[in-house]
Amino acid sequence: KQEVTQIPAALSVPEGENLVLNCSFTDSAIYNLQWFRQDPGKGLTSLLLIQSSQREQTSGRLNASLDKSSGRSTLYIAASQPGDSATYLCAVRRLKGYSTLTFGKGTMLLVSP
Amino acid sequence: NAGVTQTPKFRVLKTGQSMTLLCAQDMNHEYMYWYRQDPGMGLRLIHYSVGEGTTAKGEVPDGYNVSRLKKQNFLLGLESAAPSQTSVYFCASTPGRDTEAFFGQGTRLTVV
Repeated sequence: KQEVTQIPAALSVPEGENLVLNCSFTDSAIYNLQWFRQDPGKGLTSLLLIQSSQREQTSGRLNASLDKSSGRSTLYIAASQPGDSATYLCAVRRLKGYSTLTFGKGTMLLVSP
Repeated sequence: NAGVTQTPKFRVLKTGQSMTLLCAQDMNHEYMYWYRQDPGMGLRLIHYSVGEGTTAKGEVPDGYNVSRLKKQNFLLGLESAAPSQTSVYFCASTPGRDTEAFFGQGTRLTVV
């Protein structure tokens, strides 16, 4: 069974800091890994999708890396802003079966002005 | 661009009542999913569909039924609601097995 763990569960930083969110998964047989953002009371917004053959993806101030062999991914946020405050979720899509998404429990990020 | 739309957004049910949650997507996606999100538990898969007319059980299917009569719609039914089904329900869709997932805005359901 695929298990996804996100560390830390919560993170509080001052504005302007660079930060790293971590995601680990137990089964390396994956199609891809996706990072989402969720604002309180809202749905999930896709941030980055990394295919299993890729090492990293970048979008603006966000950079996600994937090390499939070690079962790890990181989301790097550069020059954090208060608007980045949200819960960040990672999810992996398994290679086996119908390849549904398995989610971590998320990292709640608070960026203070 | 509508994307994935869930109806209703909020609902309060009494124990034993039934209801249907509707998920509609206008992106011609083959795959559709229903998740529930509970504090401390993360998102857990209830049921999913890999195409029109197909459904399959996910991680927590008990107490729920689904139907996919039309490609664009995926219905989640609660035949006899229980307080344990109080949760936020999310629908998602993907074009294929290894593609990006798109989520709806969620349905907040309270069973009293």
